[in-house]
Amino acid sequence: DAGVIQSPRHEVTEMGQEVTLRCKPISGHDYLFWYRQTMMRGLELLIYFNNNVPIDDSGMPEDRFSAKMPNASFSTLKIQPSEPRDSAVYFCASSLIGHQYFGPGTRLTVT
Amino acid sequence: KQEVTQIPAALSVPEGENLVLNCSFTDSAIYNLQWFRQDPGKGLTSLLLIQSSQREQTSGRLNASLDKSSGRSTLYIAASQPGDSATYLCAVAGANSKLTFGKGITLSVRP
Repeated sequence: DAGVIQSPRHEVTEMGQEVTLRCKPISGHDYLFWYRQTMMRGLELLIYFNNNVPIDDSGMPEDRFSAKMPNASFSTLKIQPSEPRDSAVYFCASSLIGHQYFGPGTRLTVT
Repeated sequence: KQEVTQIPAALSVPEGENLVLNCSFTDSAIYNLQWFRQDPGKGLTSLLLIQSSQREQTSGRLNASLDKSSGRSTLYIAASQPGDSATYLCAVAGANSKLTFGKGITLSVRP
């Protein structure tokens, strides 16, 4: 298996633009998680899905953030409009029976 | 609210030394505890997972212990090598599968 796949790996955008991050979980995994990592705050859980259904989005910082999982093999995290304080590394992870497997992350820079 | 603490934030040791990384958490009602490794610019790699009913797990030169009642876990690395240099993160999971992460310990093993 190729592991969790994220795209793009790097994204540079201007403030106010829409940003869409993509994730393909490991086949057969029933949980999918979106995290954000910054130096100041460390790793924070934004939202997670179980069997494609959003279970807890309490970590989503604002209404500018939204996430979808239309099927078991694809999820998106969208930021609209983006702001400089959204600059961070965004990780997607998937799991089955406890072990979480992380993707390589998307480094987002908003100027 | 669960809080996970890892102290110190950074550690430097000579090659060959045995070392212990500490993790503490405030709520003992956990489902499992995981130790991850993160290399610079990379995602997280799961090293060991300890279920709440277990006391320890071993993988090669790594041994992780869990004392739920005192809210502590340790990661023991035997005969450290320069290739062990990375950031090590501890994370605890509640019954809802949500992981709460510590901020990590950045380990440097000097040749």
